[in-house]
Amino acid sequence: KQEVTQIPAALSVPEGENLVLNCSFTDSAIYNLQWFRQDPGKGLTSLLLIQSSQREQTSGRLNASLDKSSGRSTLYIAASQPGDSATYLCAVDDYKLSFGAGTTVTVRA
Amino acid sequence: GAVVSQHPSWVICKSGTSVKIECRSLDFQATTMFWYRQFPKQSLMLMATSNEGSKATYEQGVEKDKFLINHASLTLSTLTVTSAHPEDSSFYICSLRDREKNIQYFGAGTRLSVL
Repeated sequence: KQEVTQIPAALSVPEGENLVLNCSFTDSAIYNLQWFRQDPGKGLTSLLLIQSSQREQTSGRLNASLDKSSGRSTLYIAASQPGDSATYLCAVDDYKLSFGAGTTVTVRA
Repeated sequence: GAVVSQHPSWVICKSGTSVKIECRSLDFQATTMFWYRQFPKQSLMLMATSNEGSKATYEQGVEKDKFLINHASLTLSTLTVTSAHPEDSSFYICSLRDREKNIQYFGAGTRLSVL
């Protein structure tokens, strides 16, 4: 059974700092890995999807890397803003999506 | 535009009543749909997987008689929470799989509050 772990569970930084969120998974036979954002009481917003054949994906200030062999992915958020405050979820797709517990980010103005 | 339409977005009901949540695919034929549940401050947990025209497969610990899933067509799946109790209060999210792209798309979720 796929196990997904996200570290840290919570992160608080001043505005402008870069964010590094980590995700690890136990079974490397995956189709893809997705990073989602979830605001309190809301649904999921897909941020980045990395196919298993790719090593990274970028969108604006967001960059996600994938190292399938070591079972790791990292989400980088450059120059953080208060609007980046949310919970970030990593999900590994091996036909069924398995989610990590999330990293709750607070960016202080 | 939205790929998945989930309704209602919020429902409040009395204990003992049944609640139906709909999940519709707008852009493609979804042969497989997934239902997730999320309790406050926890991550999403897969409840069941449904394939069009066949019975749903439930994850361990999920009561199939309480959470009825009907995947009657390639564009519609419903989750019915039968005889709801306060402990069933949660955020329920459906997801559809695009098999060609191997990507899952998510509905906006339904917040169920059972009084």
